Amino acid sequence: EIVMTQSPATLSVSTGEGASLSCRASQSVRSNLAWYQQKPGQAPRLLIYDVSTRDTGIPARFSGSGSGTEFTLTISSLQSEDFAYYYCQQFNSWPWTLGQGTKVEIK
Amino acid sequence: VQLVESGGGLVQSGGSLRLSCAVSGFTFSRYWMSWVRQAPGKGLEWVANIKQDGSETNYVDSVKGRFTISRDNAKNSLYLQMNNLRAEDTAVYFCGRGGSYPSYWGRGTLVTVSS
Repeated sequence: EIVMTQSPATLSVSTGEGASLSCRASQSVRSNLAWYQQKPGQAPRLLIYDVSTRDTGIPARFSGSGSGTEFTLTISSLQSEDFAYYYCQQFNSWPWTLGQGTKVEIK
Repeated sequence: VQLVESGGGLVQSGGSLRLSCAVSGFTFSRYWMSWVRQAPGKGLEWVANIKQDGSETNYVDSVKGRFTISRDNAKNSLYLQMNNLRAEDTAVYFCGRGGSYPSYWGRGTLVTVSS
C-alpha cells in the first residue's frame, strides 16, 4: 500500500496570503494524484486531478504541481472560503490512499 | 447531479447493514462508482469501487470478505452490503461518482458500530 504523507499538519495563513501544501508518496504514483478540499460536516470537493488539472469550476488560485513522489498544492491568495482541510490522494495503485490532511486555518 | 446515501444507523458489533446511494442528473451506467468513509475526527479512506457494468470491483483489505459493493443500473443505485461489522467500521460513508477521483459526492450516511 502506498503511504501518502502531508505536511504541515496545520497551516496558519492570513486572508490574501498564499499557501503551499506538500504531499509525499512512499513510492512513485506517476501523475495519478488528486487534491480535495473538505469542510466540517461536508463531503470532499475535488479540486485537482492528474497533479495539475483543475476540476470544473475550481478557481484559478488553486494550482497543483509535482511528479513521482513529491507534490504541492498552491493557493495563491487565500479567500475566507478556503479555510478547510485539504487531502491528497493517489490513484496509481490500489488501494487508493489519501494523506492524513492539512488543516488551513485563519492566522 | 445528485447522490443521496441512506441506510446508515446504529448496529451491534457482528451485525449487518446495507447502504444505498440513489443518483440522479447523470447517466449512472456510464460511470465507475466509489464508497469512501471517514471515521469521526479522522481522514478519508477508500473502501471500494465498482466498474460501470459491475464486472470489476476493488476493496481495501480491511473490508475484504465482509463488504460487498454492487449496483443496479436500472434503478440508478449503488449499494454497499456490510457484514460482520466491527467498531472500527464506525464512520460516515460517502458515495462518489467516479472510480479514481470522484467529482461528485453525496452528503454521507453515518454508521455506528457498538461493541
